[in-house]
Amino acid sequence: NAGVTQTPKFRVLKTGQSMTLLCAQDMNHEYMYWYRQDPGMGLRLIHYSVGEGTTAKGEVPDGYNVSRLKKQNFLLGLESAAPSQTSVYFCASSYSQAGGSNQPQHFGDGTRLSIL
Amino acid sequence: GEDVEQSLFLSVREGDSSVINCTYTDSSSTYLYWYKQEPGAGLQLLTYIFSNMDMKQDQRLTVLLNKKDKHLSLRIADTQTGDSAIYFCAERGRSGNTGKLIFGQGTTLQVKP
Repeated sequence: NAGVTQTPKFRVLKTGQSMTLLCAQDMNHEYMYWYRQDPGMGLRLIHYSVGEGTTAKGEVPDGYNVSRLKKQNFLLGLESAAPSQTSVYFCASSYSQAGGSNQPQHFGDGTRLSIL
Repeated sequence: GEDVEQSLFLSVREGDSSVINCTYTDSSSTYLYWYKQEPGAGLQLLTYIFSNMDMKQDQRLTVLLNKKDKHLSLRIADTQTGDSAIYFCAERGRSGNTGKLIFGQGTTLQVKP
């Protein structure tokens, strides 16, 4: 019962390098989200997707891009990493909110990213 | 805009009750959630409450919602050392059909033996 799986778990980058974080879910969820967690600031939404082939900006989208080519995968890209992007990144997924029903978000274990 | 506020730290003795508080600004919130984060792990859903409820109890957990004051609390009875973690309050805001959540900063609960 994997749930939400994030790879890699840890990564150290140099300023200016690029990388892609992968999120995979096996629950057939329509919605997927990328957050960053910084001390004292809770979780802030970077980008999200309400279905395959769709993406939208969250609260802090600058410096990141995303793609949702397959329903089960949501990729987060950093084209030119900056020290300000040092953070813990969490992916989450949920069923759609049809009819206003409660469909809580399920989280992965996070990717710890350091930019030197 | 939408905002969720929590105090950052709470320390209790094992066996005591813990009360973690949260305030929010969005009066149109439909669901409010409590998540728990243990060190090095992701967020685990603890419980949630629908906005037309005042209270919800689930074993050692009691959630109280005061819609008038936009105040949410989580009470943990008989707190154990295994309850030490960061607790996040979150609300499903005025975001249409996207399921987006607004999170508080998280409250670190320290349980002393």
